[in-house]
Amino acid sequence: DIQLTQSPSFLSASVGDRVTITCRASQGISSYLAWYQQKPGKAPKLLIHPASTLRSGVPSRFSGSGSGTEFTLTISSLQPEDFATYYCQQLNSYPRTFGQGTNLEIK
Amino acid sequence: EVQLVESGGGLVQPGGSLRLSCAASGFTFSDYWMSWVRQAPGKGLEWVANIQKDGSEKNYVDSVKGRFTISRDNAKNSLYLQMNSLRAEDTAVYYCARHIDYWGQGTLVTVSS
Repeated sequence: DIQLTQSPSFLSASVGDRVTITCRASQGISSYLAWYQQKPGKAPKLLIHPASTLRSGVPSRFSGSGSGTEFTLTISSLQPEDFATYYCQQLNSYPRTFGQGTNLEIK
Repeated sequence: EVQLVESGGGLVQPGGSLRLSCAASGFTFSDYWMSWVRQAPGKGLEWVANIQKDGSEKNYVDSVKGRFTISRDNAKNSLYLQMNSLRAEDTAVYYCARHIDYWGQGTLVTVSS
């Protein structure tokens, strides 16, 4: 199985900050990576798929990059509604594994 | 508007069975792969299974192989997850998803005596 490791697992930041979350795959997955945002008690929402393609309707402050084994999710200027948990998921092979999540909290 | 509504969750004893359903609307159901993803309380996301548009291909995470069966009825715009031989570690909110882009609100399955 492909393992995805997100870093950091916890991130404390302020409104207006630029933040970057990294997702590393245990083997190459080309660009078959998705990023999700999840708020407490809610279903995850797709932000980016494949690795650098922003989903329609997602604010442009979100961006994704990378291919192969290293990927990043960047939020250029944090807004209050961005504080949530973020997950990456690989869609290269089965099982479709997720990273362990990054909990983005308000400083 | 795409809608996915899960049902069928509840409390079940270890070794028991449960069938989850997901009613889809707002899109042509038969045009999409569908998935189940679960989330144990306070934990991260775990992909469980997916199924091809016509039901001809199904894939599972190892931990549920032989116990869970994913299926669909395109005439009823519905996705199912038959869960047998349930274990405590299957306790989670179960989400159905249209491929990866739309998710239901989830249904809670609790396996406990």
